[in-house]
Amino acid sequence: DTEVTQTPKHLVMGMTNKKSLKCEQHMGHRAMYWYKQKAKKPPELMFVYSYEKLSINESVPSRFSPECPNSSLLNLHLHALQPEDSALYLCASSPEAGVLGEQYFGPGTRLTVT
Amino acid sequence: AQTVTQSQPEMSVQEAETVTLSCTYDTSESDYYLFWYKQPPSRQMILVIRQEAYKQQNATENRFSVNFQKAAKSFSLKISDSQLGDAAMYFCAYRAGGTSYGKLTFGQGTILTVHP
Repeated sequence: DTEVTQTPKHLVMGMTNKKSLKCEQHMGHRAMYWYKQKAKKPPELMFVYSYEKLSINESVPSRFSPECPNSSLLNLHLHALQPEDSALYLCASSPEAGVLGEQYFGPGTRLTVT
Repeated sequence: AQTVTQSQPEMSVQEAETVTLSCTYDTSESDYYLFWYKQPPSRQMILVIRQEAYKQQNATENRFSVNFQKAAKSFSLKISDSQLGDAAMYFCAYRAGGTSYGKLTFGQGTILTVHP
C-alpha cells in the first residue's frame, strides 16, 4: 500500500484565520515532506521531517508551522496567510535511509486565501 | 547547486504511438538518483520510474523506459504505445545520494497531450 492521505481536499480561509492541514501515511516511512505547488509549476519543498524531527526548513515564513506528532502523521498549521499563499499543498513520505528514497505523494489540499 | 531542465513545455502524441520527453541535469555529485513523476489533471503526483546513477542499465517499467546518459547528464523518458491515460504533466526530478531524506529538485515539467 503506497498511500498518503491528506485532509481536507479543499480549504478556503481568510487572512486572519487559523487552520491546519493534515497528512497521514501507514507505510512505515520515516521521512515526511511538505511541498507547495502553484498551477503548472513544479512542487517547491517547504519542510522535511526525518524520524519526527525537523531536518529541513526551506526558509519558509513563520505563518506556516509544521508539526510531526508521530511517525505516521504530519500537520501544517496556517496562520495569518496572504493571498499569494493560495496553492496546492502536497505531502509526501519516503522510506528509511539505505533504500532508494523515492517519495510518495498525497493528493494534496487546494488552499485558497481570501 | 543542482539544476534540472526540461526543454519541452508541451508535447503531443497520437494514441498507440511512442513519445520521448527530454530532461537534462547539472550536478557535481557522483551519487544521485533520478526520477520521472506524472501528475494527471486530478493532481496526484505518481512515481513513474527511477534510476540510480551508479547503474548503467536503463530502467524500464512496462511501457515506460528511460535513456540515461550519465556523461551527457541526460535522462529522457520514452513512453511506448501511448494511452489516453498517459496525458499529464511529467516532471523529471533529481535527488543527491548520501541520505534518503534529501531534497528533490524538479524540472519545470512537460505537459503531454495524447490524441485519440
